[in-house]
Amino acid sequence: QQQVKQSPQSLIVQKGGISIINCAYENTAFDYFPWYQQFPGKGPALLIAIRPDVSEKKEGRFTISFNKSAKQFSLHIMDSQPGDSATYFCAARRSGGYQKVTFGTGTKLQVIP
Amino acid sequence: GAGVSQSPRYKVAKRGQDVALRCDPISGHVSLFWYQQALGQGPEFLTYFQNEAQLDKSGLPSDRFFAERPEGSVSTLKIQRTQQEDSAVYLCASSSTGLDLSGANVLTFGAGSRLTVL
Repeated sequence: QQQVKQSPQSLIVQKGGISIINCAYENTAFDYFPWYQQFPGKGPALLIAIRPDVSEKKEGRFTISFNKSAKQFSLHIMDSQPGDSATYFCAARRSGGYQKVTFGTGTKLQVIP
Repeated sequence: GAGVSQSPRYKVAKRGQDVALRCDPISGHVSLFWYQQALGQGPEFLTYFQNEAQLDKSGLPSDRFFAERPEGSVSTLKIQRTQQEDSAVYLCASSSTGLDLSGANVLTFGAGSRLTVL
């Protein structure tokens, strides 16, 4: 049972372009939606996160857009750089408990010069 | 230490062997998670500790998998009679609090232990 669906599986973007990764969830009990960035040979690292009471959160070149009614959220990377090349995971966590995080399947992003 | 440390980084086991994977969380962190990441997939939850108490082991795939954290710091994930389908990266993560409803607390992951079962 895949509770968080992520697309695309892979993405190639030119330097300076916008990278967009989409996720959808089913469980309405989810109340915290983080995005993780993972480089080869490393563990995932928190990039940015949003709660469902806001529709957008921006941190530098990274923006999360959140649509509660559609149960969808997306990550936008503006002015994409080769150093952004990594695998990105959307995730979700349920309310009322500890921080068990459910991950999407990941998007491998390659930013070409 | 400054981060979550996992050892060994790489482990090759013959099918049927037992393996033990170690996690040293950030000092003082209450919560500790184990995740399994198959090649090309997202991490899948295995188990959760709050201090020394194992509060959730619902993600452990079989009774061959066992985890402990006897003193509330270092944790060990043990896999008995390894099978080829156990091949994956095993990730450990820790955070400073237990129950947290704000979402502000950050999970810090280690680099993982890559297990290959031949």
